[in-house]
Parts: sequence; structure tokens; C-alpha cells
Amino acid sequence: NAGVTQTPKFQVLKTGQSMTLQCAQDMNHEYMSWYRQDPGMGLRLIHYSVGAGITDQGEVPNGYNVSRSTTEDFPLRLLSAAPSQTSVYFCASSSPGGPNEQFFGPGTRLTVL
Amino acid sequence: QQQVKQSPQSLIVQKGGISIINCAYENTAFDYFPWYQQFPGKGPALLIAIRPDVSEKKEGRFTISFNKSAKQFSLHIMDSQPGDSATYFCAASMGTGRRALTFGSGTRLQVQP
Repeated sequence: NAGVTQTPKFQVLKTGQSMTLQCAQDMNHEYMSWYRQDPGMGLRLIHYSVGAGITDQGEVPNGYNVSRSTTEDFPLRLLSAAPSQTSVYFCASSSPGGPNEQFFGPGTRLTVL
Repeated sequence: QQQVKQSPQSLIVQKGGISIINCAYENTAFDYFPWYQQFPGKGPALLIAIRPDVSEKKEGRFTISFNKSAKQFSLHIMDSQPGDSATYFCAASMGTGRRALTFGSGTRLQVQP
């Protein structure tokens, strides 16, 4: 199993550009989420999904869109990138039952100029 | 609003010493308290977790102490090793449905040989 994979690993954007961060998991996990990690602030939840076709907002959703058409994939879209979105983005997944163990991907480091 | 407060921000410990990281939470609805370990360039990985019905959980050299009345929990790393050098995050979640994690701000641990 590859676990949780994210692409790209690094990305530089100009202000106003749009892009999609990809996330995929092969563990058949129903729950998937996106976090951003900023220095001194830990990880903050952007959006999450409890299953295909179901998404909801987290703590810091503004400027980001998500969709969940399959169990495996959960892409994060930046509609019009801003310098405040410079961060490291992590995708995570977990199964619905049992302990809430989240499996994280390796992250995407995004810089918005 | 930071619902989970973590201290210290950074910690330097000699090899063989005890590393202690503290967290405090505000929301009494939290019922699951994990610790995640993150190495540079990697995603966080679950280290150990506790539920509020127990006061202590030990796994190898890692122990969580939990004080429900004080709304505090801590991670103790016994016999700290250079390989333990990483960033540690405490977190909390509530219920089994949403599974969203609220993270502390992180502690960068450096274990000197």
C-alpha cells in the first residue's frame, strides 16, 4: 500500500493563479481532510470529507474548494492564490470506526509570490 | 481561538534524559487526545493516544499523563535518544463522526548526544 500520496511536493505560484493540490489514498478510508501547517500555529483544518460526495468546512476554509467524487481522491483547489496561502499542506485519511488515527501524506510546500 | 495550547515551543534534552511536553485544552467535549511526531520533510505520524477515562498510557519509552480536572495532558519521553529529535504535536478531537483534529502549536525537540 502506498498510503496517502500528495502531488506536487513543491509549487510556486504567482498571486491570482489557481491550482489543484492532489491527494489520494489506497486504504479505502472514508474520512479525508486537508490541513495547512504554518510556523508556530500547528496544523489547521481547511476542509474535510466523511465520504464520497460529502464535504464540509474546517477552521480555515476561505480561498479553498474541495470535492470528493471517489473514495480514493480528495483534491484541494486554490481559486485565486494569495501570499497568505503560502504554507505546507497536508492531506490525511482515516477509517470511520475505532481510534481516530489519521494517516498523513508527505505534504505539498506551496509558495505564493 | 486556540483550543489546544502546547508548551514549550522548543526543548533541548541530553541523551538519556526525560523530555516533557505539556498541553492544555479548553473544550470539555474533546474525548480523544493523540500525540503526533513529525520529522523534517515528512507528514505527522501518530505516536500515542489516550482517552479521558484513563490517567496514564505507556508505550515503550513514551507515556501520556492525563489530568481531566485540570484539562491538561503531557507527553513524557524517557531515555531520550537523538533519533527522537523531531517536532511533536498534541491534538484533540471529539466524537467518532467528524474525526477532525485540533492541534497544538508544536514542540521542536532536540536530543543532544
